[in-house]
Amino acid sequence: GNSVTQMEGPVTLSEEAFLTINCTYTATGYPSLFWYVQYPGEGLQLLLKATKADDKGSNKGFEATYRKETTSFHLEKGSVQVSDSAVYFCALSPLPNSGGSNYKLTFGKGTLLTVNP
Amino acid sequence: NAGVTQTPKFRILKIGQSMTLQCTQDMNHNYMYWYRQDPGMGLKLIYYSVGAGITDKGEVPNGYNVSRSTTEDFPLRLELAAPSQTSVYFCASSPLAGRGDYEQYFGPGTRLTVT
Repeated sequence: GNSVTQMEGPVTLSEEAFLTINCTYTATGYPSLFWYVQYPGEGLQLLLKATKADDKGSNKGFEATYRKETTSFHLEKGSVQVSDSAVYFCALSPLPNSGGSNYKLTFGKGTLLTVNP
Repeated sequence: NAGVTQTPKFRILKIGQSMTLQCTQDMNHNYMYWYRQDPGMGLKLIYYSVGAGITDKGEVPNGYNVSRSTTEDFPLRLELAAPSQTSVYFCASSPLAGRGDYEQYFGPGTRLTVT
């Protein structure tokens, strides 16, 4: 079946540090890939997405590139801010007719990021 | 647009009580979902619906029921609450998208404690 594995947290960084959160997946074919962010006390919101191999999703200074050869979608940001402190979830939506229901997302367990001033 | 709204925000139940978590979306989305989020465990799908009148079980449906009489509303019913149902519950919706990028829009969550 489909699965998403992301790096265990928590991750603690100082402001302006470089961030990488690793995410790898298992799925048939080429699923769509997502990063969601959950700020304290709130629901999840979409941060960025990529729907085909070599696509780069980007938003708010965050980037992730869909790498089919390594089945990865690592999240990066060059200079984090205190306001980036949140839980980050990697997720996938399988291809239609690949054996999974493509309207159901499979989520990783989440990575808690804390950025200190 | 309000997006996805959930009520209540917080609730404490005694073991054996019942309650309904409300979820409404105003985006005319076909798909709706209920998740629970336990600490350190990510999100688990409880039930989902692909349109009014159609619902199906997710990974962890035991102890819950849903209905979808309208496009907008997707209530989650807990019968005979148990401590194992202590969790944060999220409702989400998504449009009928194209290739497979079914972006989901989440509500703010309901924090439920069963004691």
